[in-house]
Parts: sequence; structure tokens; C-alpha cells
Amino acid sequence: DAKTTQPTSMDCAEGRAANLPCNHSTISGNEYVYWYRQIHSQGPQYIIHGLKNNETNEMASLIITEDRKSSTLILPHATLRDTAVYYCIVRVALNDYKLSFGAGTTVTVRA
Amino acid sequence: KAGVTQTPRYLIKTRGQQVTLSCSPISGHRSVSWYQQTPGQGLQFLFEYFSETQRNKGNFPGRFSGRQFSNSRSEMNVSTLELGDSALYLCASSTNPQGPTDTQYFGPGTRLTVL
Repeated sequence: DAKTTQPTSMDCAEGRAANLPCNHSTISGNEYVYWYRQIHSQGPQYIIHGLKNNETNEMASLIITEDRKSSTLILPHATLRDTAVYYCIVRVALNDYKLSFGAGTTVTVRA
Repeated sequence: KAGVTQTPRYLIKTRGQQVTLSCSPISGHRSVSWYQQTPGQGLQFLFEYFSETQRNKGNFPGRFSGRQFSNSRSEMNVSTLELGDSALYLCASSTNPQGPTDTQYFGPGTRLTVL
């Protein structure tokens, strides 16, 4: 059963912010939202995660709605190297040892 | 800090052969998880090792096995290769994925092709 829903694909202009939505309407109170990305044929790369509050790191920002049913990953200044498949997952950190990715969003950054 | 490394990066084998893949985790990480990724099945969990013990196992046949050494490096072995074993094999390391907010970091993967 799918825990998250993401758009299949989206385009973004180089230098502009890329806003990637994710719906997780059945998220539980102890589940975290994680984002990974995978550039073609490479290993997935951890981006960011959060529980309730908005989070920011050197790669991206994560905005989680107050009801926690959806979130948005923001890449502030997209570059061509950000072209990848982005996966949004929910995960109970404790005892949730295995990751499972859905289809993700294929993001294409265009010059 | 160096990331997760996997060797070899590419491998071509024939049906019936066996293969051993290696993974070196991030320094200080004691947990290593292995995943198989294919276009059709997506990311599937194989097994997880922590402090040289297999703690968790996915739903794969016994042809898939692994081990972890005292320095946390891990190997996985696939015996009697089948065409369907062609995949990207990923290793991920973490301090302890059963701990709070622990994050798994992936290596670049080993692309296995079975002919």
C-alpha cells in the first residue's frame, strides 16, 4: 500500500527554485518524512528529513504542512546536476530498518 | 568523511556462476543494509547486518547471503546466478537504523549483468 503520492514528472528552469510536492495523508504521529534522490544509475542520495517542523540544510528545504498530510521539498536554485528521480517516503525511524521507494518524481532541470 | 564504497562497480557473469560484492561503510557506521534495485520491482531490501550479525532479512531465496566483518565491511554473495538477478545492488550504511532518526547513506552500487 502506497504511503506517499508524488507527481510522475516535472520540469524546472535552471537557476529557479524547484518545488516538489508529496502527499502522505495517512502519516502517523511517529513517522518521519524523508527525501532521497537518485541520479541515473547511481545510488540514492539522502537529502533531508523532518517530523513536524520545517527543515533546511545545504541541499534543500523541507516544508511540512501543519496537519502533516503533505510536504514540499524545495531546491532553492536548481542546476542541471539536480536532474534526478526524487523519492518521498515516510518512515518510522525506530524499528523501521528497511527503506522502500515508490515511483518518485522525475525532475528535469532545463538550461 | 568518505562515503560508502562498493566494489566492483560493474560485473558481468553467466548463469550458474556465483558472485561476491563488497561494501565499505562510512567510518563509524556499524550497520550495513543491502538492496536490489530493478526497473520492474524497484528497491527491494535484502538484509541488514549490525555488529557482524544479520539482524533483518528480506524475502529473497537462500542463494542470496551476506556477512559482515569486525571492521563493519560487508560482503554479499549470490550463488547459482539467474538471468533475473541482473540488477543494481546497493549497499547502505548507518549508525543504527533501528535507532531514532537514523539515516541510511547509499553507496554508488554494483551493476550486475547476468548473461
